[in-house]
Amino acid sequence: GAVVSQHPSWVICKSGTSVKIECRSLDFQATTMFWYRQFPKQSLMLMATSNEGSKATYEQGVEKDKFLINHASLTLSTLTVTSAHPEDSSFYICSARDVRHFNGYTFGSGTRLTVV
Amino acid sequence: GQQLNQSPQSMFIQEGEDVSMNCTSSSIFNTWLWYKQDPGEGPVLLIALYKAGELTSNGRLTAQFGITRKDSFLNISASIPSDVGIYFCAGLATMDSSYKLIFGSGTRLLVRP
Repeated sequence: GAVVSQHPSWVICKSGTSVKIECRSLDFQATTMFWYRQFPKQSLMLMATSNEGSKATYEQGVEKDKFLINHASLTLSTLTVTSAHPEDSSFYICSARDVRHFNGYTFGSGTRLTVV
Repeated sequence: GQQLNQSPQSMFIQEGEDVSMNCTSSSIFNTWLWYKQDPGEGPVLLIALYKAGELTSNGRLTAQFGITRKDSFLNISASIPSDVGIYFCAGLATMDSSYKLIFGSGTRLLVRP
């Protein structure tokens, strides 16, 4: 079945630094990947849709200059949180759509970001 | 925007009991999905529903897609401790020829052995 690998699983960084999170589809090609943010005891909120070879589409209220998304290949999308602040601490989860299956939205295992 | 309202917010039940949770929306979705999320993990797909009125089972799980395509329920029969987790409904929305998953607020399930 479709497998999505997300790395790192957790990261602690200092305020003002940048953090990169990787999302890879291991056994399928993903022209579209999605990035979600989840605060404790809350639901998953879609941040942006990452499109291979083109610019990401951001949801309303998400700062594109702060959350940089790059989808340079059919198997890799990256999310970079720039100039991180404590309020950016959250659980970030990526998802990739396996076009071989209509309902094939597979999620990564998430990245716990803590900004100190 | 599109929102999914999920209830109950949490449930604390005895092992062996049946569980029911539901999800409603003001918008129509053509596909409803039910996911389970364990702590510190990403969601895992449980059941996908494609047709209004469809009733689908996956082991002890049963889900139905409402006739109006604005609601769905998930039942878990004979609960066991490993059923503990957060259950999310999700609607698949089509916008500008792209697809997005919109998640409900989640139902936290706790099972007492």
